[in-house]
Formats: sequence, C-alpha cells, structure tokens
Amino acid sequence: DGGITQSPKYLFRKEGQNVTLSCEQNLNHDAMYWYRQDPGQGLRLIYYSQIVNDFQKGDIAEGYSVSREKKESFPLTVTSAQKNPTAFYLCASSSRRGLYEQYFGPGTRLTVT
Amino acid sequence: AQSVTQLDSHVSVSEGTPVLLRCNYSSSYSPSLFWYVQHPNKGLQLLLKYTSAATLVKGINGFEAEFKKSETSFHLTKPSAHMSDAAEYFCVVSGGNNDMRFGAGTRLTVKP
Repeated sequence: DGGITQSPKYLFRKEGQNVTLSCEQNLNHDAMYWYRQDPGQGLRLIYYSQIVNDFQKGDIAEGYSVSREKKESFPLTVTSAQKNPTAFYLCASSSRRGLYEQYFGPGTRLTVT
Repeated sequence: AQSVTQLDSHVSVSEGTPVLLRCNYSSSYSPSLFWYVQHPNKGLQLLLKYTSAATLVKGINGFEAEFKKSETSFHLTKPSAHMSDAAEYFCVVSGGNNDMRFGAGTRLTVKP
C-alpha cells in the first residue's frame, strides 16, 4: 500500500525532554511537510522540505527541528525550547511543492506534562 | 500572498438534507483550491481539487464544489447528508508562490 505513516499515534513526554516524531512515505514524493493542529484552529506549517538534504522554516518553526537525509523520511524533533508542545502533529507529502495536493499521514498526538 | 476564510465554524444539518460549507479565498495568482475532510484523531483526506479546469468540481462521497472567480468563493456542497459525513472540513488555497494556506475549518454535525 502506498501512503504516509506516522509513529507513534500517541506520545507522552515530560516537560524539558526532546522528542522525535517519525514520518515515512512510499509515494516517491519530493516534498514533505510538518503541520501542527490545535483545537479549533486550522493547520499551521512548521517545516517543509522540497528535496533531500534541504528544508525550510514554515510559519511556526521556533522550538522545532527537522532533517531530510532520505527521500522517504522527514522526522520532526520537538525540543524543550517549544513553549506549548502539546498538540496534534500531521505529516504530509506532495509530488512537488506548489499547486499539487498534499497527502496526509494519520497524525501523532503529543502530550507534554 | 493568499488566504482563505471559512465562513462558518460549525454547521448542523439533518440526515438527508443538503450540505453547504462556505469558503472564500484571496490570491494574487490563479489559485488551486482544495477541500479536505478530517475525522476525529485522523489525518486529512482530499475530497476534491480545482486546478483551473472545469469550474464545477466533483469529488468523493457525493461532494462537489464550484469555483466562482467573481465572488472569490469555492463552496462545498452535497445534496443529501449522511451520518458518516460528520467531520471537520478544511478549505485550502495554493498560489503561484508555492504557499498553501488552510482555513480554520468547519465542523459539520449531522442529526438523525
């Protein structure tokens, strides 16, 4: 099956700890994205990558980091510098960035206490 | 730059009645427009997309949307709501600068 996988589905961490969220795609897409979703709000872009070994900050990149060492993988690290990390995180990919539709993973719900 | 406004944060309909979810957009370029659906604690699923072809776009599960340039609107409709349509719906605009913008979402409730 082609698609995007995110793991784990639920993640719990103590405040002050870094945590890495996994995102893998087998769609052979060049572009990948990370979004944050809070209750009652739309999606906000954290980081995106248009090609391996390159990525760009989105609207809310502070406190987050990413890497793109392989085409199919785009992990997101939520660092201790992120003030309000509890949220639902969605990974997406598209064939290229721009006018092309994005395909989404099932999401990871992160709770930091 | 582009932006999108979903005019209703919550819409409630009875099963079997029509659905209308409203979306207005702003874009400096000829936009692509999308509607996505999200069920609780799930990812987003593409319902339909407009990319400068036919202005009336048909999507999955009986949904359709009409691109009206003069009104800068892209409203989502369905003739008859089903209980399984209850979800959050997002209107999305993408313009020539490769920037995709999501609306705040409309929660659709379907009453039996």
